[in-house]
Amino acid sequence: GDSVTQMEGPVTLSEEAFLTINCTYTATGYPSLFWYVQYPGEGLQLLLKATKADDKGSNKGFEATYRKETTSFHLEKGSVQVSDSAVYFCALTPPGYSSASKIIFGSGTRLSIRP
Amino acid sequence: KAGVTQTPRYLIKTRGQQVTLSCSPISGHRSVSWYQQTPGQGLQFLFEYFSETQRNKGNFPGRFSGRQFSNSRSEMNVSTLELGDSALYLCASSPETSGRSDEQYFGPGTRLTVT
Repeated sequence: GDSVTQMEGPVTLSEEAFLTINCTYTATGYPSLFWYVQYPGEGLQLLLKATKADDKGSNKGFEATYRKETTSFHLEKGSVQVSDSAVYFCALTPPGYSSASKIIFGSGTRLSIRP
Repeated sequence: KAGVTQTPRYLIKTRGQQVTLSCSPISGHRSVSWYQQTPGQGLQFLFEYFSETQRNKGNFPGRFSGRQFSNSRSEMNVSTLELGDSALYLCASSPETSGRSDEQYFGPGTRLTVT
């Protein structure tokens, strides 16, 4: 079945470092792909999305490119801040589906930024 | 525009009791979904409502139920609480852009502890 695999955390970086959080997926066809972020004590926030191959989603300095050839949607940021410390979730909706009930979430990657 | 609000934020209940959690979606959003988040199982879909109708239901026992009101506000109820029901319960609403409800806007969650 369809699935999402994220890199294991926690990921610890120093402020201003470059960030990559890997996400790969298994799905037939072209799923929609999402990154959500969950700050401590809060719910998830939609960070960015891409719905077709080669699309680049971007928001708040974060970017992710939908790579069909490698079935990946890695999250990147050029210079992280302490305020980026959170748990990041990669998610997909299988092709042909658009309902909340079909969203497949990854297990989450905890990111911690040192000042 | 105000975000998704959930009440209460924290709740402690005893095994066997029942609990009702409340969610107010973002103004104009008619789709509301509920999730259970635990460290072991991650995010699991509970139900989705649209225009007062349950559109989808996840794989949870009948002790978990929900409803949606005409103003799109939603409640979920868990009866005969078990220790394993301890979790963060997240509500999310969707703008249903182009008929899609997989773009989710989450509330801060209700932390339920069952003792």
